[in-house]
Amino acid sequence: DAKTTQPNSMESNEEEPVHLPCNHSTISGTDYIHWYRQLPSQGPEYVIHGLTSNVNNRMASLAIAEDRKSSTLILHRATLRDAAVYYCILRDPNAGGTSYGKLTFGQGTILTVHP
Amino acid sequence: DAGITQSPRHKVTETGTPVTLRCHQTENHRYMYWYRQDPGHGLRLIHYSYGVKDTDKGEVSDGYSVSRSKTEDFLLTLESATSSQTSVYFCAISESSYNSPLHFGNGTRLTVT
Repeated sequence: DAKTTQPNSMESNEEEPVHLPCNHSTISGTDYIHWYRQLPSQGPEYVIHGLTSNVNNRMASLAIAEDRKSSTLILHRATLRDAAVYYCILRDPNAGGTSYGKLTFGQGTILTVHP
Repeated sequence: DAGITQSPRHKVTETGTPVTLRCHQTENHRYMYWYRQDPGHGLRLIHYSYGVKDTDKGEVSDGYSVSRSKTEDFLLTLESATSSQTSVYFCAISESSYNSPLHFGNGTRLTVT
């Protein structure tokens, strides 16, 4: 399975933008890039996903490099509620048999937001 | 929020006893998953289901079994609990396969003494 590399931790100030990087140099042409986050004492929460083009939703933006070997999750104005562990995950629709539904989580990036 | 209920939310049990955790969804999603989360290991997939009576193993399936007799319920059973199975267990659902997001429940904290 293609893997992702994220910084262990990042810090931000409230109301400032946050750019969370993810490297995935072995990404295949069919892998989707997914981002999840996990707030303390809660289950992971879906944030955004994309294949090639940049994506926006109400929570965040996803910027995907032209060669797809890296991506960046952008929180436009961080709030204290955005303090969480952020996971960048590759999801392969062509994985064999019934395994294409699986997600493999790495260690993620711990985001701290200062008031 | 996706309609996912995990029960119980907390459980303490003794080594060697069987334990069943329940995940109930109201979204009629086809795929359901059980993950465990431990410090230093992140989230690891135990088993998943791609339909009623259709299940498959994940990366850490030893000591666990699952059943899915209805679309809405996915049960995880520890046949003989061990201390190494002390963990937080998360259920997740997704509508289709690779291109739909997973929605997670709030977890069950299991302690095996």
